[in-house]
Amino acid sequence: AQSVAQPEDQVNVAEGNPLTVKCTYSVSGNPYLFWYVQYPNRGLQFLLKYITGDNLVKGSYGFEAEFNKSQTSFHLKKPSALVSDSALYFCAVGYNTDKLIFGTGTRLQVFP
Amino acid sequence: EPEVTQTPSHQVTQMGQEVILRCVPISNHLYFYWYRQILGQKVEFLVSFYNNEISEKSEIFDDQFSVERPDGSNFTLKIRSTKLEDSAMYFCASSKRTGVNEQFFGPGTRLTVL
Repeated sequence: AQSVAQPEDQVNVAEGNPLTVKCTYSVSGNPYLFWYVQYPNRGLQFLLKYITGDNLVKGSYGFEAEFNKSQTSFHLKKPSALVSDSALYFCAVGYNTDKLIFGTGTRLQVFP
Repeated sequence: EPEVTQTPSHQVTQMGQEVILRCVPISNHLYFYWYRQILGQKVEFLVSFYNNEISEKSEIFDDQFSVERPDGSNFTLKIRSTKLEDSAMYFCASSKRTGVNEQFFGPGTRLTVL
């Protein structure tokens, strides 16, 4: 069965430091991978996706993610965190179907 | 920038009552979805809709649920007889195509069943 795991409930990082939010997936075949961000009282906002091609994908707000097929991972990264990046981050996988399967979410807290 | 909109933002209802949640997808999108997020849990797929019919649904989407696109702009989710466990945030989403295209989500409707 397809699944997504986000092993960390919360990630804390100081402003200006690099951040990583982890995601691993389990799906047969070639997945489509997505990252979404959710700010308080807002819907899910699309950040970036991996479909095929370069393993490093660049997205909105300076975020990027690296697809690693051997480790079945799609970690979200940013070289220099901002306080305004503090939010809930969801990894999701799609695979030849309509639905997205979401991870449980990781709360990113960037402190000044 | 076009957005998915949802109304109401918060709906409170009594158990057993019918509710209709409304969504206006992005105008040139062809695929429409409903997801829900029970408080503190992950976002779960409910149903997808294309060409005026359901294209996929989850086990959660039983015969108490229905979807409709009554006109060219609205997309609705109806729960016929609400249960306490239907309390959740319901998100509508739309996309140009299925699969490779990202889905754009609305702000959600918080449904509280008393």
